[in-house]
Amino acid sequence: GEDVEQSLFLSVREGDSSVINCTYTDSSSTYLYWYKQEPGAGLQLLTYIFSNMDMKQDQRLTVLLNKKDKHLSLRIADTQTGDSAIYFCAERMDSSYKLIFGSGTRLLVRP
Amino acid sequence: SAVISQKPSRDICQRGTSLTIQCQVDSQVTMMFWYRQQPGQSLTLIATANQGSEATYESGFVIDKFPISRPNLTFSTLTVSNMSPEDSSIYLCSASGIINTGELFFGEGSRLTVL
Repeated sequence: GEDVEQSLFLSVREGDSSVINCTYTDSSSTYLYWYKQEPGAGLQLLTYIFSNMDMKQDQRLTVLLNKKDKHLSLRIADTQTGDSAIYFCAERMDSSYKLIFGSGTRLLVRP
Repeated sequence: SAVISQKPSRDICQRGTSLTIQCQVDSQVTMMFWYRQQPGQSLTLIATANQGSEATYESGFVIDKFPISRPNLTFSTLTVSNMSPEDSSIYLCSASGIINTGELFFGEGSRLTVL
């Protein structure tokens, strides 16, 4: 079945790197996404990766995809207090646009 | 990227009433979707809004409860009918680009509280 799992909580010190992990079960995923949700706000698309890639870098963000292990990670370099939010991993199924979301990881950045 | 606007951003509703949420995209998009985020939970797809035809609903969601319209490529509405406190959620509109870049954008959401 379709299932996306994330750890619920991560706390880091400002300036350190954050690594948020995600595992998924469906090998037919075409794209995998990372979204950020700040309190009271909608979802902001941070980055996404096509399933035939194993890495994507965009400024402070690095996405790593291990398709064999069905493991996705988001690394945030030089984490700032403004990065405190909930981060959702999502997989897009096959040829459809349907997204299956993880439960979200709450990132807390301590000064 | 597509900019997605939703109205209302929040509302407090009485049990048994219905509320229509509007979603406007600033550019033509191929696909539009409605998601629900219950308090403290992740997102669940309600339905795909199809232009000019009936929406495609996911398991557990029905047209009588969540009627959806999509009269053109940039606009859609979701109605939450005969509301109960269990319908208190954030309802989010999502859209893809006109070209399949893989990008999927979300609106700011409409936070409904049903008393």
